[in-house]
Formats: sequence, C-alpha cells, structure tokens
Amino acid sequence: GAGVSQSPRYKVAKRGQDVALRCDPISGHVSLFWYQQALGQGPEFLTYFQNEAQLDKSGLPSDRFFAERPEGSVSTLKIQRTQQEDSAVYLCATARAAQTYEQYFGPGTRLTVT
Amino acid sequence: AQTVTQSQPEMSVQEAETVTLSCTYDTSENNYYLFWYKQPPSRQMILVIRQEAYKQQNATENRFSVNFQKAAKSFSLKISDSQLGDTAMYFCAFMKGQNAGNMLTFGGGTRLMVKP
Repeated sequence: GAGVSQSPRYKVAKRGQDVALRCDPISGHVSLFWYQQALGQGPEFLTYFQNEAQLDKSGLPSDRFFAERPEGSVSTLKIQRTQQEDSAVYLCATARAAQTYEQYFGPGTRLTVT
Repeated sequence: AQTVTQSQPEMSVQEAETVTLSCTYDTSENNYYLFWYKQPPSRQMILVIRQEAYKQQNATENRFSVNFQKAAKSFSLKISDSQLGDTAMYFCAFMKGQNAGNMLTFGGGTRLMVKP
C-alpha cells in the first residue's frame, strides 16, 4: 500500500475486555515498531520486530501486552484485560530496512477503556 | 537510557514570521541521530528533518533548519516564513547508533499554532 495503515482507528473497550490492534506495514518494510502515545505526551516505545522476529519488547508495560508478526508483514498488538491506564493512541511505524533511520508512521488506533 | 526534553508546551507565531522550538537531550552515546517530527491534528506523524550526530553542519530542509549544539546537547528547530499548515504538534526525537533501525525516544512535544 501507499502508507502504513492501522485498524481500527478508534476502539472503545470496557475494562477487562481483550483488544487486538492491527498494523499493515508498507510493502517490503522489514522493521516494525509499536509506540504508545498517552494524551498530551510524546510516543513511547513498546516493541520492535525485524521481519517476524521480535527483537526488543522492553517497552511493553506488563504481561497483558503481547505483539506478534508471524509472517513478517502484518502485526497485531493484543492487550488482555484492559485497564483505564491503557487508554492511549497506539502508533505503528515501519522502516524499509534494519539499518535505515526513517520510520514511517501509521495514523494510530485511539483506544479508550471505560 | 536517553531522555529528550522539550521545555515549551505551546507556542504561537504569526504567519510569515520565524519561530524556534527548543529541545535538549541527555545521552552517553557518541553516535546517534536526532529528528523533528510533525503531528498535525488527527493526522499521522511525519518526519520534518534529521541530523546525524557525527555531522557538524546543521541540517536544512526548505523552510526548516536546525541548530545542533552537540556539546550542549541541544537541538532546536527553526521554522522560517511560517505557514498556516505548520500548525501541529512537534516532537523532538533521539535514535541511538550510527547505524539506525533502533527505537525512537521522543520528547513531550510542543504545540505550535500559526496565526493568520
């Protein structure tokens, strides 16, 4: 596709529900990052994939957060038993190769936990 | 660990004037990249300008330029001839490593309003 796409764009979940957020990268992009952006703040790193390998998950805030990229393309960020503090915009960014500096961002998924 | 600080939560500028956004960072790394990203309202983040730490020359992209002071760990963004379309959140970001592909560490952002 022309750019990074994310779905859904908006998600409202009741506290305790599980959610799954999808990222479709630019075709052929090797690197994929997930960031969490709380209201009024800068994005914070969650996890990084190079192809299908999850090379860094140091930013995941708890074991309720899980990410996968099984075929090295589409990625899914799953949050189990959502809590109010999980409310944020979740951004996906991809890069053409493992050794490139420019990350291309998707529009984000705004998650609201009620 | 790296930290990025943007001390100006909000700024405004008149159309056609010049504005400077501040950013400081802290790191023990010697090789790294610095970036300014723009996030328009309800739109996705786009890269405005980047600076490699090993380059002494300040980066310039059309109306956007940076003042990179490595010793002071300062990286400000100057927007010349401000346009209404420049209204957005601006984030300063750090990436460690001479070879990139690493995560970005962002500052808290500066909301810029360009007034007609």
